[in-house]
Amino acid sequence: QQPVQSPQAVILREGEDAVINCSSSKALYSVHWYRQKHGEAPVFLMILLKGGEQKGHEKISASFNEKKQQSSLYLTASQLSYSGTYFCGTERAGNTGKLIFGQGTTLQVKP
Amino acid sequence: GAGVSQSPRYKVAKRGQDVALRCDPISGHVSLFWYQQALGQGPEFLTYFQNEAQLDKSGLPSDRFFAERPEGSVSTLKIQRTQQEDSAVYLCASSLGASWVQYNEQFFGPGTRLTVL
Repeated sequence: QQPVQSPQAVILREGEDAVINCSSSKALYSVHWYRQKHGEAPVFLMILLKGGEQKGHEKISASFNEKKQQSSLYLTASQLSYSGTYFCGTERAGNTGKLIFGQGTTLQVKP
Repeated sequence: GAGVSQSPRYKVAKRGQDVALRCDPISGHVSLFWYQQALGQGPEFLTYFQNEAQLDKSGLPSDRFFAERPEGSVSTLKIQRTQQEDSAVYLCASSLGASWVQYNEQFFGPGTRLTVL
């Protein structure tokens, strides 16, 4: 039931791009993306809803493929501040809003 | 305050002790969630409140775990007779609307790191 994230870890140089994927075996209502830095609270990045609507930060882009139950987070022109662990949280239809989180993808951006 | 706050930030308990973890959500937020995060893992759902009503407690790992939100604002997660496997970071999150609201991003607190010796 837990979504699977890939890759598990990625190292980038400043300015490079990365894609983080999140796949679920269950039909989803929405996918939420968060970034967490060590010892800090997860920070909201993006919500993607079934049907194509989405809401999030201007500099973050993501997609949600309903047929594949897969979401991808696109990080372009990465900055040092992008470093952290990225989690996708999936929500199924009829749920109470609870999120099932993936195991996380650790991103390190180097100068 | 501007965000979700949790206290204490760190708690060390001896095995068998009871602990109480507090969450102050963003003012006016209807929904409140508790998650447990083990080291190197994603948050794992414990329970959900809509105002003072606990609508989902399917994630509570045992009857030693109990949560309440009596006035629909502050929430307390209580763990009785703590065990070593309870060691984790306990995260609280709140969101503005009820669970069926379309855009319902959750805002997380910094968490309470519980260590059971």
